[in-house]
Amino acid sequence: DAKTTQPPSMDCAEGRAANLPCNHSTISGNEYVYWYRQIHSQGPQYIIHGLKNNETNEMASLIITEDRKSSTLILPHATLRDTAVYYCIVRVYGANSKLTFGKGITLSVRP
Amino acid sequence: NAGVTQTPKFQVLKTGQSMTLQCAQDMNHEYMSWYRQDPGMGLRLIHYSVGAGITDQGEVPNGYNVSRSTTEDFPLRLLSAAPSQTSVYFCASSYRQGQGEKLFFGSGTQLSVL
Repeated sequence: DAKTTQPPSMDCAEGRAANLPCNHSTISGNEYVYWYRQIHSQGPQYIIHGLKNNETNEMASLIITEDRKSSTLILPHATLRDTAVYYCIVRVYGANSKLTFGKGITLSVRP
Repeated sequence: NAGVTQTPKFQVLKTGQSMTLQCAQDMNHEYMSWYRQDPGMGLRLIHYSVGAGITDQGEVPNGYNVSRSTTEDFPLRLLSAAPSQTSVYFCASSYRQGQGEKLFFGSGTQLSVL
């Protein structure tokens, strides 16, 4: 599975959009981009995944560049409860469901 | 809907002791897995199972055993605990292989080995 690179941390103001970047320059054509988050001491929580089209659900939007070498997770109106570590993962759809979690990016939402 | 249930939430062991971390899911998921999380290391896959009777090793399987006799349960066994196994352990499940991207995680077991 392709490796991902995320900055270690970022912050944003409550109520503003949080844009979390992820670089996956070695991604293969059949690899999807997944995002999970982990709020302190809890188990990770699935957010969203996509292949090449932009995706949106009730939690977030995922924007994938046309060359698929990078993506951005957007939390449109960040709240204090969105403070967490966010993991960007790429893997082949239909593989053995093995997810490799890196160190992620710590998002701090300030009042 | 309980989801993924892990027990116990906290455990302290002495070096050399054995124990089993329990994991149960009530969503009829075929895929289950165990991760450990250490400070600054992210989550590392220990063992996983794609269905009852089928298990396989992940990234860090040494010192751990698993079995999958039922769809619902996936216990993790430490045969002879070592201080290096001090960690937070998470169990996860998903619907089935090929649609396994949406993992559901338990709340974790914090294990300390003295």
